[in-house]
Amino acid sequence: GQQVMQIPQYQHVQEGEDFTTYCNSSTTLSNIQWYKQRPGGHPVFLIQLVKSGEVKKQKRLTFQFGEAKKNSSLHITATQTTDVGTYFCAGPGKTSYDKVIFGPGTSLSVIP
Amino acid sequence: DTGVSQDPRHKITKRGQNVTFRCDPISEHNRLYWYRQTLGQGPEFLTYFQNEAQLEKSRLLSDRFSAERPKGSFSTLEIQRTEQGDSAMYLCASSFNRAGDVEQYFGPGTRLTVT
Repeated sequence: GQQVMQIPQYQHVQEGEDFTTYCNSSTTLSNIQWYKQRPGGHPVFLIQLVKSGEVKKQKRLTFQFGEAKKNSSLHITATQTTDVGTYFCAGPGKTSYDKVIFGPGTSLSVIP
Repeated sequence: DTGVSQDPRHKITKRGQNVTFRCDPISEHNRLYWYRQTLGQGPEFLTYFQNEAQLEKSRLLSDRFSAERPKGSFSTLEIQRTEQGDSAMYLCASSFNRAGDVEQYFGPGTRLTVT
């Protein structure tokens, strides 16, 4: 079946260090979405990427969609304690565009 | 409108009992999704509605689970004869079906504990 994988599962960084999480899909995706979930909170939409090779930035966050549209990455520059949480990538289902398949997430801890 | 709301926020039940959760989406949103999330995992798709029509249901969902959205507004998720494996956070999300608009707004979730 369709799978969305993410690495690493956990990442601990010193405040100010950079952080990257990688997302890989077993199938080509029409789009990829990224969500952030704070501890004890619910997922919050960050961004959607649609085009092959697309790069989007949100302040210190840089999102990239691979050329083959099967992988994506999220890079955070100079992490802050407010970046703590789990970052999920998600893509549309293989058989149903409207069904969203979430990856297992990367949990980020920032040591002040 | 303050966002997606879910009720109750927490539910403890004994194995074998039935439970029902409610989700109130953002008012202008016509799509409503139910997910289940366990510790250390991403949200797992259960089902979704376009207005009052249930368009897809996960094959992983047993017949003990049923969801409704009778008037295309709020939705309920019922679990019959609960099992310990049903213990999880049940998340509801809504979105506005518009070309290229995929953003889902999640509610705070209902945490179910089956003892």
